[in-house]
Amino acid sequence: QKEVEQDPGPLSVPEGAIVSLNCTYSNSAFQYFMWYRQYSRKGPELLMYTYSSGNKEDGRFTAQVDKSSKYISLFIRDSQPSDSATYLCAILGNQFYFGTGTSLTVIP
Amino acid sequence: NAGVTQTPKFQVLKTGQSMTLQCAQDMNHEYMSWYRQDPGMGLRLIHYSVGAGITDQGEVPNGYNVSRSTTEDFPLRLLSAAPSQTSVYFCATYSRGLRDEQYFGPGTRLTVT
Repeated sequence: QKEVEQDPGPLSVPEGAIVSLNCTYSNSAFQYFMWYRQYSRKGPELLMYTYSSGNKEDGRFTAQVDKSSKYISLFIRDSQPSDSATYLCAILGNQFYFGTGTSLTVIP
Repeated sequence: NAGVTQTPKFQVLKTGQSMTLQCAQDMNHEYMSWYRQDPGMGLRLIHYSVGAGITDQGEVPNGYNVSRSTTEDFPLRLLSAAPSQTSVYFCATYSRGLRDEQYFGPGTRLTVT
């Protein structure tokens, strides 16, 4: 079983839509959860970072961790064409474990 | 402050050739790592280093060598390139602190024919 699983999409939404991106993980001991954004032909960059359970909000982005179900989510409100990218969830255990990424396209 | 730099940006190799992918950082981070990214496979850890003189294997180390003689540099060597090594390679540094953030370089696109 992989440490983290992510639906690869692709996901295509109209501008202004709410986007939900999700991952599941296997080890209940994990406590550090991250979301990276990767534009085409660029390296990933950290978007959101949460520790343990709960929600964290940053502008239009909300990261949510549900440790009881080992589920992590990223919500994007009022999505913009500039949000079009691949989003990778990541978990820090004894090393970083990454999901395969979800490709998002926001259509103007 | 350049962050993490990688050279070259693009490379085409023939099967059996060797080469070194360069990675340099100016943030004084102890932890550095190499990933490869393939469609549908996500980022997979090749090798990592927790400090100068210390390296260890990740998930997919076969066919690759690393060394870490300085904090700043962490080169990745392909000993005898194979088509299966066609991929995008990312170097990353890690800063343990408030954010536990990894900083990624821009990547090297390698094609092996």
